[in-house]
Amino acid sequence: SQTIHQWPATLVQPVGSPLSLECTVEGTSNPNLYWYRQAAGRGLQLLFYSVGIGQISSEVPQNLSASRPQDRQFILSSKKLLLSDSGFYLCAWSVFAGEAYEQYFGPGTRLTVT
Amino acid sequence: QQPVQSPQAVILREGEDAVINCSSSKALYSVHWYRQKHGEAPVFLMILLKGGEQKGHEKISASFNEKKQQSSLYLTASQLSYSGTYFCGTEMTSGTYKYIFGTGTRLKVLA
Repeated sequence: SQTIHQWPATLVQPVGSPLSLECTVEGTSNPNLYWYRQAAGRGLQLLFYSVGIGQISSEVPQNLSASRPQDRQFILSSKKLLLSDSGFYLCAWSVFAGEAYEQYFGPGTRLTVT
Repeated sequence: QQPVQSPQAVILREGEDAVINCSSSKALYSVHWYRQKHGEAPVFLMILLKGGEQKGHEKISASFNEKKQQSSLYLTASQLSYSGTYFCGTEMTSGTYKYIFGTGTRLKVLA
């Protein structure tokens, strides 16, 4: 069966510091991968998605970037964090399930920028 | 283009029913429903593709109207475990692989 891992689970970082969040998927090949951010008490904001190695689509211009160095690895980065970057970061993957692509989320990383 | 969900919040007693709506200004390719417990990741519930489709498992079901601009999630005989925030995730066009999530509905079931 497929599983998705994210680490770290929680992170506290000072303003201006760099960021690297990693997501890996097991049990499938060539998944579509996604990064979402959820501010406290708010909805899910799509940040990036990727349909293959090296292919990244950015939805929200900001100080974040994403990379997909391997088929089942998706990385979210920032060179300098802002206070507004605080939130719950969710990696997700989608798989074709007979009729359409179904999307599943990883456990998330809770980031607090201080 | 963000779908609008209604109501924003609802409080129920165990055993009561609820309906959550997800409305778009444009026709959708698909609608996905998720439930998120506090502090946890959203959990996939179901996906609807066809206009007029109804789908469900146990006491949670959903429909997609003929024009494919509105989907409704039906929670029947609610249980305490149904508490959480419900999101619809929408795909505008087949093959975009891009999902836009609705505004969310907070549901609380009381004993």
